[in-house]
Amino acid sequence: KNEVEQSPQNLTAQEGEFITINCSYSVGISALHWLQQHPGGGIVSLFMLSSGKKKHGRLIATINIQEKHSSLHITASHPRDSAVYICAVLKGSNYKLTFGKGTLLTVNP
Amino acid sequence: GAGVSQSPSNKVTEKGKDVELRCDPISGHTALYWYRQRLGQGLEFLIYFQGNSAPDKSGLPSDRFSAERTGESVSTLTIQRTQQEDSAVYLCASSLGGRGQETQYFGPGTRLLVL
Repeated sequence: KNEVEQSPQNLTAQEGEFITINCSYSVGISALHWLQQHPGGGIVSLFMLSSGKKKHGRLIATINIQEKHSSLHITASHPRDSAVYICAVLKGSNYKLTFGKGTLLTVNP
Repeated sequence: GAGVSQSPSNKVTEKGKDVELRCDPISGHTALYWYRQRLGQGLEFLIYFQGNSAPDKSGLPSDRFSAERTGESVSTLTIQRTQQEDSAVYLCASSLGGRGQETQYFGPGTRLLVL
């Protein structure tokens, strides 16, 4: 079993829908990252969090340390949100990330 | 300023050949990371450089893989005697201070195909 599990693997939505992507991990962590990988491969860091909730525009990330779970929400989804969303955890070293396999999101107009 | 750049963007090679991949981090970033992304798999950590400290090479999959970094600038990842299973996207990232709880800035990657 992978240390970082994401669900769903694939998600198709209609423009305007509310999206939730989940990440569960099985180890103690010091921080969790959400990354976005566009078609063509470029990766952008969206959030880094170690507790609570962060919001940036239409994106919201939450984390529950006790339950070892994080969610990434997208409100009013748009086709340009189509990408792979990757969860990664920092386990204790101050730099080595362990990655989930990603969730492929497709938002149709 | 410029982001992280990598070259080449694509590389096709024959099994058994050596390849060298280059990463130019963001100026002033002391930490540099190499990752590998094989088709259908998550990113895998390969190696980490932080300033003048000894690099963490614990993620390198075999002794055919090596990496160097010149000071706090360019890094090269070398794969000797390439195998088909080395086919992947190789991603480089850099961050300001290498303390982990900070944003990593990724390059566009080098797509390596070993025939």
